[in-house]
Amino acid sequence: DAKTTQPTSMDCAEGRAANLPCNHSTISGNEYVYWYRQIHSQGPQYIIHGLKNNETNEMASLIITEDRKSSTLILPHATLRDTAVYYCIVRVAAGAGSYQLTFGKGTKLSVIP
Amino acid sequence: GAVVSQHPSRVICKSGTSVKIECRSLDFQATTMFWYRQFPKQSLMLMATSNEGSKATYEQGVEKDKFLINHASLTLSTLTVTSAHPEDSSFYICSAREGGPKNTGELFFGEGSRLTVL
Repeated sequence: DAKTTQPTSMDCAEGRAANLPCNHSTISGNEYVYWYRQIHSQGPQYIIHGLKNNETNEMASLIITEDRKSSTLILPHATLRDTAVYYCIVRVAAGAGSYQLTFGKGTKLSVIP
Repeated sequence: GAVVSQHPSRVICKSGTSVKIECRSLDFQATTMFWYRQFPKQSLMLMATSNEGSKATYEQGVEKDKFLINHASLTLSTLTVTSAHPEDSSFYICSAREGGPKNTGELFFGEGSRLTVL
């Protein structure tokens, strides 16, 4: 699976949008970008994933650059409960191949009142 | 999304004893489950892949005789830490993917089990 690079930590004011970047310059054509988050002392929670088109769900939006070498997770209105470590993971297409996830160090997002 | 439940959420045991952690998929059948370990302030590290009805596949450096994995049904995988020692104290997390036509490739994670070995 392609390696990802994320900032170690970020702060965001409550109510503002949180934009979390991720670089994955060695991503292959059949690899998806997945985002998970882990709130302290809990298991990781799936947020969103995409291949090349931008994606949106009830939790977040995922913006993938045209060359697919980087992406940004957007939490439109961050709340204190969004404080967590956010992991950007790139792996083979859903429905085929290995399903295991390789976690990097992620970005610790702190939402500030 | 699908629900994965782990039990117990916290366990404290004496050095030398064995501890069993259960991972259940509550509303779907999981042909594959994964076991991760997370030490304080570190990321999750994959320990093993558990396939229903067959032997688990362990990652390099993980002792298969120490961390026994059983995946006897499509909804239950167990991790047994045998002869636990203080260095085995960690946060153990399982994940599962839904099999069959509903498989979207997403992995669903349990709440984690914190093991403390005294």
